[in-house]
Amino acid sequence: AQSVAQPEDQVNVAEGNPLTVKCTYSVSGNPYLFWYVQYPNRGLQFLLKYITGDNLVKGSYGFEAEFNKSQTSFHLKKPSALVSDSALYFCAVREEGNTGKLIFGQGTTLQVKP
Amino acid sequence: DGGITQSPKYLFRKEGQNVTLSCEQNLNHDAMYWYRQDPGQGLRLIYYSQIVNDFQKGDIAEGYSVSREKKESFPLTVTSAQKNPTAFYLCASTPDPRAVFLYGYTFGSGTRLTVV
Repeated sequence: AQSVAQPEDQVNVAEGNPLTVKCTYSVSGNPYLFWYVQYPNRGLQFLLKYITGDNLVKGSYGFEAEFNKSQTSFHLKKPSALVSDSALYFCAVREEGNTGKLIFGQGTTLQVKP
Repeated sequence: DGGITQSPKYLFRKEGQNVTLSCEQNLNHDAMYWYRQDPGQGLRLIYYSQIVNDFQKGDIAEGYSVSREKKESFPLTVTSAQKNPTAFYLCASTPDPRAVFLYGYTFGSGTRLTVV
């Protein structure tokens, strides 16, 4: 069965420092991976996706993600964190088949301190 | 502007009461999904609909019901059989479920349901 794991409940980083939010996945076929961000009491907003090709994917708000097939990981990164990046981040993988279902990780809270 | 509208934003339910959460989209998307969000548990799929007049149970469908009579609308009813309904409920859609890897989901802003 497909699954997604986000091993850290919370990540703390100082403003201006690089950040990484980790995600590992398990799929039997080609992985189609997503990152979403959620601000308090709001829906999720799309950040970026991996379909195929370049292992470094660039997305919204200066975020990027590195796909690593051998480690089955898709870590979210940003070179210089902002206080406004503080939010809840979700990694997701498409479930195989044509249902359109996405399987989400449990989420990682990113706290960026001034 | 195109998007998904969920209403109400906050909803309070008494014990034994059924309540209905609204989800409306003007994106002309075929597929719609309901997720439940609880702290530390991520998003869990309740029901989904790949096309109008059809829907399927997700992972935690017990105590919930849906309908998809119109393409734009996918209301979720939380019945009295749902023993722990307090949660944040999110509705999402995608243009074509077969191509979700291209489009991902568009989400509504959610409804927070509280049992009082």
